This record gives sequence, structure tokens and C-alpha cells, in this order.
Amino acid sequence: KNQVEQSPQSLIILEGKNCTLQCNYTVSPFSNLRWYKQDTGRGPVSLTIMTFSENTKSNGRYTATLDADTKQSSLHITASQLSDSASYICVVSVRRDSGNTPLVFGKGTRLSVIA
Amino acid sequence: AAGVIQSPRHLIKEKRETATLKCYPIPRHDTVYWYQQGPGQDPQFLISFYEKMQSDKGSIPDRFSAQQFSDYHSELNMSSLELGDSALYFCASSLGISVLDTQYFGPGTRLTVL
Repeated sequence: KNQVEQSPQSLIILEGKNCTLQCNYTVSPFSNLRWYKQDTGRGPVSLTIMTFSENTKSNGRYTATLDADTKQSSLHITASQLSDSASYICVVSVRRDSGNTPLVFGKGTRLSVIA
Repeated sequence: AAGVIQSPRHLIKEKRETATLKCYPIPRHDTVYWYQQGPGQDPQFLISFYEKMQSDKGSIPDRFSAQQFSDYHSELNMSSLELGDSALYFCASSLGISVLDTQYFGPGTRLTVL
């Protein structure tokens, strides 16, 4: 069964600190992995997308890593800001021969940044 | 920059009623996806359209139907509503159908079935 597991479930950090969120997946065959940021009640916003051959990708203060061998990804946030408080969702695409592929979503990590 | 527009933002219906949710993709985007996110749950893919044709189908109930129109906007029609249909319904759009195309999500429509 295609699954995406994220940890921790929730995290509280002080403003200015760094943090790392984890994502493990069993999706096969793998196509790509995305990290989304979702504010409460809002649509998810794409942060990064990585294919099989990529193992690091940055977007501002967000850096995602991917280890396709161990099927693990991480999202590192540096110098956190209060506006980083949100849910961070790991999403994996299943590769198919034709057509677009639906996405398998993790349950997200709820990050709270406090002053 | 223009984003994905969904309407209405909030909708309250009673059991067995029907509801229609609308999605207006980012201009020039030709692919639309619908997702359902129940309370405290991860989004579930429902259905997608590319160039006005259904391109993929997920866990969409038979009571639901959807289509994409000539102007690329999409509508999700929901009939015989059940309490369990209460959820946040997201629409996303992308330019192209490639798995690498980023999906841009709308703000969602919160449906409450009483």
C-alpha cells in the first residue's frame, strides 16, 4: 500500500531557531516528492519538488533532501519566523506510464513558532 | 499574480441536498484537480481534468460528478449529500499534465452538511 509517514506530528520551536521535519514513504513506483506548506483552512502551497535523481533542493530558508534508496526525505527550516507556523505536508507521486498521477499525502507536521 | 479561485468559500447544505462547487484555474492552466480533506485528515484525490477531458479518477463517490468547461473552469457536482461529505474541498490547477508540473491550490470550499 502506498503510504507517506511524517514525523514529528507536531513541533514547537522558538523564533530564530532551526528545525527539521521528516518524511518516510513506501510509494512505488516513485515519481517525485513535494513538500507543501498549509496554513489552517487554506490550500497547500508548494515549497519544493524533487525527482529521483535530486537529493537536495532549496527554496529560501527551506531546504529539502531526498534519499531515494532509504525512501526518506527531510525539510529543514532555518532561522524560523512566526509566519512559518503552519502544517508541512510531504506528498509523493506514483509513477504511471501515461496520464497525470494523483498524489499520496502525508498527514503533515504541525509547526508552531513562538516568540 | 492571479491564483486559483474557488466558489463559494463556505457552503451549508442539508442531507440529501445537492451542491455545486466551482473552480477557476490560474489563467492558461489547462489541468484541474479536485481534492477532499476531511477534518483532521490528509487531502484525498478525487478527480482531475486535462484539456476538458477527465484524465484521472481517485476516490470520488458515484454521487459526485465533475467536468471541465471550454474556459477551463471546473465544477464538482455533489448529490444526495451525506454528513460524511462535510469537508474542505480543494481545487488545484497546473500548466500541463506532467507529473513534474506544480499544482497550485485554491483556498478551498468548506462544505458543511447538516
